[in-house]
Amino acid sequence: DTGVSQDPRHKITKRGQNVTFRCDPISEHNRLYWYRQTLGQGPEFLTYFQNEAQLEKSRLLSDRFSAERPKGSFSTLEIQRTEQGDSAMYLCASSTGTGYNEQFFGPGTRLTVL
Amino acid sequence: AQSVTQLDSQVPVFEEAPVELRCNYSSSVSVYLFWYVQYPNQGLQLLLKYLSGSTLVESINGFEAEFNKSKTSFHLRKPSVHISDTAEYFCAVSDGGNKLSFGAGTTVTVRA
Repeated sequence: DTGVSQDPRHKITKRGQNVTFRCDPISEHNRLYWYRQTLGQGPEFLTYFQNEAQLEKSRLLSDRFSAERPKGSFSTLEIQRTEQGDSAMYLCASSTGTGYNEQFFGPGTRLTVL
Repeated sequence: AQSVTQLDSQVPVFEEAPVELRCNYSSSVSVYLFWYVQYPNQGLQLLLKYLSGSTLVESINGFEAEFNKSKTSFHLRKPSVHISDTAEYFCAVSDGGNKLSFGAGTTVTVRA
């Protein structure tokens, strides 16, 4: 068990480009979460999956954002037509979904949109 | 819906001095409360949690937090800090459901 991993760790892109991030959860965890953290703020919930089903999306997740978890294992978060306001740290977390549902976080992907 | 307010954005403190980080929450239901720590260029790590039972919870590295239901607070304390405690600390609340609601964070800078 190596914990939650995210790739890439850093991404610099130009405004208008599309970007995709990957998250690999802890292997036995059924739930996977995406959060966004902007400078000087705490993480904000974006969306979560139970296995392959996306069960909740925040209103922060605009139409330009899409997340998938096709086989119930890893997940991808895609941002289309990036804007400078998308610059943030994107955090992934996973949990078993049982008990008090402790979430384990990955190191994050830092996105910079120029 | 839940929300969290961390009352201090920056807390400078000298090594071996005590520190207290304040956290207030609002929720219409029973909650679980957490403190996470984020070291530079790293992800969030769970520091301690309150689920039920004793209102005083402790971590393995000397931090403690007390749940006060009447004041809706979950303040974090350490009686003697080390340089290695320099980090950002986040208070978070969950209703046991599917997401955590975080405060804006408190940056602790420990000076020699």
